[in-house]
Amino acid sequence: AQSVAQPEDQVNVAEGNPLTVKCTYSVSGNPYLFWYVQYPNRGLQFLLKYITGDNLVKGSYGFEAEFNKSQTSFHLKKPSALVSDSALYFCAVRGPTGFQKLVFGTGTRLLVSP
Amino acid sequence: DVKVTQSSRYLVKRTGEKVFLECVQDMDHENMFWYRQDPGLGLRLIYFSYDVKMKEKGDIPEGYSVSREKKERFSLILESASTNQTSMYLCASNDGGSEAFFGQGTRLTVV
Repeated sequence: AQSVAQPEDQVNVAEGNPLTVKCTYSVSGNPYLFWYVQYPNRGLQFLLKYITGDNLVKGSYGFEAEFNKSQTSFHLKKPSALVSDSALYFCAVRGPTGFQKLVFGTGTRLLVSP
Repeated sequence: DVKVTQSSRYLVKRTGEKVFLECVQDMDHENMFWYRQDPGLGLRLIYFSYDVKMKEKGDIPEGYSVSREKKERFSLILESASTNQTSMYLCASNDGGSEAFFGQGTRLTVV
């Protein structure tokens, strides 16, 4: 069965500094990997995905993520954080074949200080 | 713009009531999902459906049922609401391996 780990409950970063939100996964076969963001009292918004191809994936709002197969990781990154990036971030994984459910991590709260 | 619409943003129900949460998507997606979100636990899958009238249990189906009579609509039913079902409920839909699109969520309080 697939699983996702987000080891940090919260990440604090100053505005203008680079940010990283960590995610590791476990799945049989090649993974489909996703990052979502959630603002207070809202649903989840899709940021980016990795299915195949380049290991560095670019997404919305200047975010990118790097797929590392050997380390089974898919960390979310941004070169320069904004206060408006403060939100809850979720990593998700599903397996490659047939119908498979999307499994989410427990989420990481990102707090960007001015 | 793609859209997943949940019928209520906030809901307060009494213990023992039968509760219906409705979700409609306008993208002709095959798959639909119901998750609940609790602090520190992330999103946990309650039920999903990959076709009309088809449903599968997720990780925490106890106390819930679902209905999918039409492709665009997926309903979550709490047969007899209990206080431990107080939570944020999120509906989503997708096709194949594509990203899932989420509704805005329903915050349910059972008193």
